Amino acid sequence: GQQLNQSPQSMFIQEGEDVSMNCTSSSIFNTWLWYKQDPGEGPVLLIALYKAGELTSNGRLTAQFGITRKDSFLNISASIPSDVGIYFCAGQLWGAQKLVFGQGTRLTINP
Amino acid sequence: EPEVTQTPSHQVTQMGQEVILRCVPISNHLYFYWYRQILGQKVEFLVSFYNNEISEKSEIFDDQFSVERPDGSNFTLKIRSTKLEDSAMYFCASSERYGYTFGSGTRLTVV
Repeated sequence: GQQLNQSPQSMFIQEGEDVSMNCTSSSIFNTWLWYKQDPGEGPVLLIALYKAGELTSNGRLTAQFGITRKDSFLNISASIPSDVGIYFCAGQLWGAQKLVFGQGTRLTINP
Repeated sequence: EPEVTQTPSHQVTQMGQEVILRCVPISNHLYFYWYRQILGQKVEFLVSFYNNEISEKSEIFDDQFSVERPDGSNFTLKIRSTKLEDSAMYFCASSERYGYTFGSGTRLTVV
């Protein structure tokens, strides 16, 4: 089945640092999404990408959809304590409704 | 902002018992989903539901599981004869064509 390989698995950074994480796949996706999950909560959509090469920002977050539609990165600039959580990439294949999730990146911020 | 509501937030059940997890999707959404997340792992697709029938299901969604939209607002997941390995967070989600919204989840513990 389709798999998204997300890295790194975890990150430990200082407050104020920039963060970068990425996902790759052997499959071509129609849509690529980035979610954040806080403990005990459901995933919350951060950024949605629909076009190959698309670069989209949401405040301090920036994400890009790879030209081949097989990869994406998420950057967080000037991290703050509330950025702590697990970040998931998720892809949606052409003609399908289900999402395929990556394994997640756990972000920890030292004050 | 519209929400997907899930009840209960926690459910503890004995092995072999049946459980029903309930969801109220966003009212104008047409697609409904169930996902699960075993503790510490990624979010996995179970089933999608559109036009009053299952549109796609994963290999996890076997005869033990069923979904129903009993009225115009609720969407339920029934798990028959629960097993220990069914312990997980179960997330309901809904969407128009794009743009999933997830609920906060039901934590199911099978003892």
